[in-house]
Amino acid sequence: QQQVKQSPQSLIVQKGGISIINCAYENTAFDYFPWYQQFPGKGPALLIAIRPDVSEKKEGRFTISFNKSAKQFSLHIMDSQPGDSATYFCAASTGGGFKTIFGAGTRLFVKA
Amino acid sequence: GAVVSQHPSRVICKSGTSVKIECRSLDFQATTMFWYRQFPKQSLMLMATSNEGSKATYEQGVEKDKFLINHASLTLSTLTVTSAHPEDSSFYICSALKTGRTHEQYFGPGTRLTVT
Repeated sequence: QQQVKQSPQSLIVQKGGISIINCAYENTAFDYFPWYQQFPGKGPALLIAIRPDVSEKKEGRFTISFNKSAKQFSLHIMDSQPGDSATYFCAASTGGGFKTIFGAGTRLFVKA
Repeated sequence: GAVVSQHPSRVICKSGTSVKIECRSLDFQATTMFWYRQFPKQSLMLMATSNEGSKATYEQGVEKDKFLINHASLTLSTLTVTSAHPEDSSFYICSALKTGRTHEQYFGPGTRLTVT
């Protein structure tokens, strides 16, 4: 019940295309859903996050869609660029961020 | 934004020695910091939660006597790997919890530990 399931494991997208990464959770107590971007040899960087009281949040080319009833959320990267090639982790937390569960990660490769 | 630093970024040590990794929140105070371990092409594995002024909380299976955590101030937490062995070689990442409306975790750049 504490798991966050992330898919796909890897993703190849053409430059200019849309990258979509999906996550699903079981624990309805989760109240904060961040996405992190990690480049090789670096720590994860907070990309965008959403709370369950909204269904969508957009920041630049990055959009989170959130479906509370289905317990699913997804990251959409519009106009994907080669510089977006990285590993993306979804996460879910509860209790004021003191317990965060990470998805397994998605390795995105954007072809030039 | 919020910045978290880690030092060193890379360290090589001999088997049996100890190594200390520092994690600092540079522009905010963090009562709570976290230490993660990451294996190649895998997700982050939480090792322990570090609380300023109190003992760290370790996850199941993590040896607290091997991975010593000290959170002496609101901006500094340290992880000491004692009597390191080659199987301790890994990428160690800390994060600091910035409290507020959303309680966001900000990660350090990571430390690559190699034990020879």
